[in-house]
Amino acid sequence: GENVEQHPSTLSVQEGDSAVIKCTYSDSASNYFPWYKQELGKGPQLIIDIRSNVGEKKDQRIAVTLNKTAKHFSLHITETQPEDSAVYFCAASKGGSYIPTFGRGTSLIVHP
Amino acid sequence: GAVVSQHPSWVICKSGTSVKIECRSLDFQATTMFWYRQFPKQSLMLMATSNEGSKATYEQGVEKDKFLINHASLTLSTLTVTSAHPEDSSFYICSAPLAGGGSYEQYFGPGTRLTVT
Repeated sequence: GENVEQHPSTLSVQEGDSAVIKCTYSDSASNYFPWYKQELGKGPQLIIDIRSNVGEKKDQRIAVTLNKTAKHFSLHITETQPEDSAVYFCAASKGGSYIPTFGRGTSLIVHP
Repeated sequence: GAVVSQHPSWVICKSGTSVKIECRSLDFQATTMFWYRQFPKQSLMLMATSNEGSKATYEQGVEKDKFLINHASLTLSTLTVTSAHPEDSSFYICSAPLAGGGSYEQYFGPGTRLTVT
């Protein structure tokens, strides 16, 4: 089955800095890669996603890049703010099957 | 985005009792919903796939007689933890995919914190 590795497990940055979280996947058939933000005591919230026919996608301060050949994808957050502090999960799925495989999560801490 | 709700948001029950958790898709229909369990500082663990009008599909190691799932309508799935024990204490989260139109997006509920005393 699919295996998703996510790094780092913890990321501490100063407000205004950029943050990068990286994930690798094992199944070349995976074609959908969502990223979720989970605040303490809440459910995960979809913040951005990318499909395998796209190399990069951007939404304001967040962007995701995908390298299908290397089977890795990354989340980039620019101009970080304290409210960006949360746990971020990457995931991979075969799209139509809908069941994603999640990474272990990255705890992002943005210091004011 | 689409909205998924859960009720209750938290519940405390005594050992041996049963607890029902509801998951609703508020603005879309979901023939499939998923139930996850999450331990502190860990990732989401898929427990089962809830299918409207048919039996749920459970992941390996999940006791189907302990975690009863009912998907009675296109907007409601329920998870009942039967004869709860302290080790069942956890954060339970449901999700529903936004099917149709080529969408692959999946939306999560806010979660239910279960504490068994």
